[in-house]
Amino acid sequence: QKEVEQNSGPLSVPEGAIASLNCTYSDRGSQSFFWYRQYSGKSPELIMSIYSNGDKEDGRFTAQLNKASQYVSLLIRDSQPSDSATYLCAVNSGGSNYKLTFGKGTLLTVNP
Amino acid sequence: KAGVTQTPRYLIKTRGQQVTLSCSPISGHRSVSWYQQTPGQGLQFLFEYFSETQRNKGNFPGRFSGRQFSNSRSEMNVSTLELGDSALYLCASSQQGINEKLFFGSGTQLSVL
Repeated sequence: QKEVEQNSGPLSVPEGAIASLNCTYSDRGSQSFFWYRQYSGKSPELIMSIYSNGDKEDGRFTAQLNKASQYVSLLIRDSQPSDSATYLCAVNSGGSNYKLTFGKGTLLTVNP
Repeated sequence: KAGVTQTPRYLIKTRGQQVTLSCSPISGHRSVSWYQQTPGQGLQFLFEYFSETQRNKGNFPGRFSGRQFSNSRSEMNVSTLELGDSALYLCASSQQGINEKLFFGSGTQLSVL
């Protein structure tokens, strides 16, 4: 079982729609969760971080965390063509050997 | 503030050689972490350095090593290169560690022939 899995893409949504990106993880001890956006040919940049169960909102972005279900999601409201990118879910496992594990990413395309 | 700087931008090596990559973090950042990115495996954590000590390590063979200097600059070394080492190598810096926002450099594209 892969440690961090993301819903397979590519995901295509029309401009103005809500894009929903999902991620599951296997390590129940995981403590920190991140969503990075990576444009083609560019480096990842942090969109959201979430550390406790529930929702966290920042502008058009909402991260949702459910530790019982080992699930984290990212919602993008009013999607714009500039949101077209690969979205990477990253999970920091806890414990003495904590490390950052990335999912393989979901390619999102927002069509004008 | 200057961003994270990685050098060189591109490298071409042959199998069996070794390579050293450099990363200068954002001023004031003490944590530097390294990642390998390939189309097949995605972004994978190599290791993290904080105050000149390796604090965490991913699942990579011992051919991959690194170090950090007193000014927080970091180098990564790969010995006995294999074709499968061809990848984009990214470093990232943060103030305290990988449990907070990471700032990534532009990466070093390594091609092993």
